[in-house]
Amino acid sequence: NAGVTQTPKFRVLKTGQSMTLLCAQDMNHEYMYWYRQDPGMGLRLIHYSVGEGTTAKGEVPDGYNVSRLKKQNFLLGLESAAPSQTSVYFCASSSLSGTGPIYGYTFGSGTRLTVV
Amino acid sequence: AQSVSQHNHHVILSEAASLELGCNYSYGGTVNLFWYVQYPGQHLQLLLKYFSGDPLVKGIKGFEAEFIKSKFSFNLRKPSVQWSDTAEYFCAVANTGFQKLVFGTGTRLLVSP
Repeated sequence: NAGVTQTPKFRVLKTGQSMTLLCAQDMNHEYMYWYRQDPGMGLRLIHYSVGEGTTAKGEVPDGYNVSRLKKQNFLLGLESAAPSQTSVYFCASSSLSGTGPIYGYTFGSGTRLTVV
Repeated sequence: AQSVSQHNHHVILSEAASLELGCNYSYGGTVNLFWYVQYPGQHLQLLLKYFSGDPLVKGIKGFEAEFIKSKFSFNLRKPSVQWSDTAEYFCAVANTGFQKLVFGTGTRLLVSP
């Protein structure tokens, strides 16, 4: 059981380049999320999805786009990378139990992105 | 909007010392509360969670947390820390009606042998 898999693990971009981060989960979770982690700021939600074909903005969505064409995949795109987007990006997924609250997220191992 | 405050940004302890990390949240409704741990170079792992019932929650690796509703707090404790507990600890909150987790800024714990 792989859980949540993120690719790539590391990437260096030049300012203005574009790229897509892929998140895949094999737990049939309905909800998926993209966070960025920066020193002293914890994790901040970029975008999230509550189901296939749906996405919504989180706290810090500017400069990012997402797509959830398949339930198991959640893609995060940077159209024109900026140095301020240098960060560690974490994908997570979660599921309702069927009757109520979430039971915690499952996180991927992260993508370390540097924009120069 | 929900928010989470972790008061201690850096904590340094000797092995066998007791640990308490503070976490306060702001949200008036029913919440779900979590503590996550991130070991160096790794992703976040769930330590424990509270949804309802007994406000004293026991998690993995000897950690526990107490939910005090009147204080909007969910402090993490461990009676005796080990060097292997060196990590960053995040408190998080989600309201029951919506699925977003809001994280605190984290507390870096360094345990010296």
